[in-house]
Amino acid sequence: GQNIDQPTEMTATEGAIVQINCTYQTSGFNGLFWYQQHAGEAPTFLSYNVLDGLEEKGRFSSFLSRSKGYSYLLLKELQMKDSASYLCAVMDSNYQLIWGAGTKLIIKP
Amino acid sequence: GAVVSQHPSWVICKSGTSVKIECRSLDFQATTMFWYRQFPKQSLMLMATSNEGSKATYEQGVEKDKFLINHASLTLSTLTVTSAHPEDSSFYICSALGLAGPQYNEQFFGPGTRLTVL
Repeated sequence: GQNIDQPTEMTATEGAIVQINCTYQTSGFNGLFWYQQHAGEAPTFLSYNVLDGLEEKGRFSSFLSRSKGYSYLLLKELQMKDSASYLCAVMDSNYQLIWGAGTKLIIKP
Repeated sequence: GAVVSQHPSWVICKSGTSVKIECRSLDFQATTMFWYRQFPKQSLMLMATSNEGSKATYEQGVEKDKFLINHASLTLSTLTVTSAHPEDSSFYICSALGLAGPQYNEQFFGPGTRLTVL
């Protein structure tokens, strides 16, 4: 079956760095998405990886290893506003999104 | 548990026809379901919030007469794109908000429906 795994919850300190991991097993692969979702709001697109390697976008970076079925989202210089849920989603060979359950990130002062 | 399905997974239709997309929570109940559309590499855009037994709440700029939403049961919401045009071609994603138990107040996303209007 198809499966996306990511930690349920993580806690980090303001100003620090946090890495949110996502592992996947899907039938085919057409890219991996990371979204940020604040409570009561629609998910916001953060990144899309389809090739191996690191994509950097400001304080956020996303890494992909297709051979390992693994991705991570790296958040640097954490701010209180980064407290949110982070969703990992993989698009399979049928262009369907397989969603992870999301990682709730708690930032402490 | 907590699986949300959508049907169909993809559909191609002619301009002017109507297309119905179903969103089902398979193993939990949801009084609230959300409908989004997503363009490539962009954020999910919330179209409407669907509440079981009542009228949907549409986001600004979304035509309620064009995108008909019906939420007749605690496990099913439908989105009908009426008189579809090529600009309606998009990826439509639904999510369901758990009513009780372990899914309470958690949002679970469907796999999406790819609509192509010719």
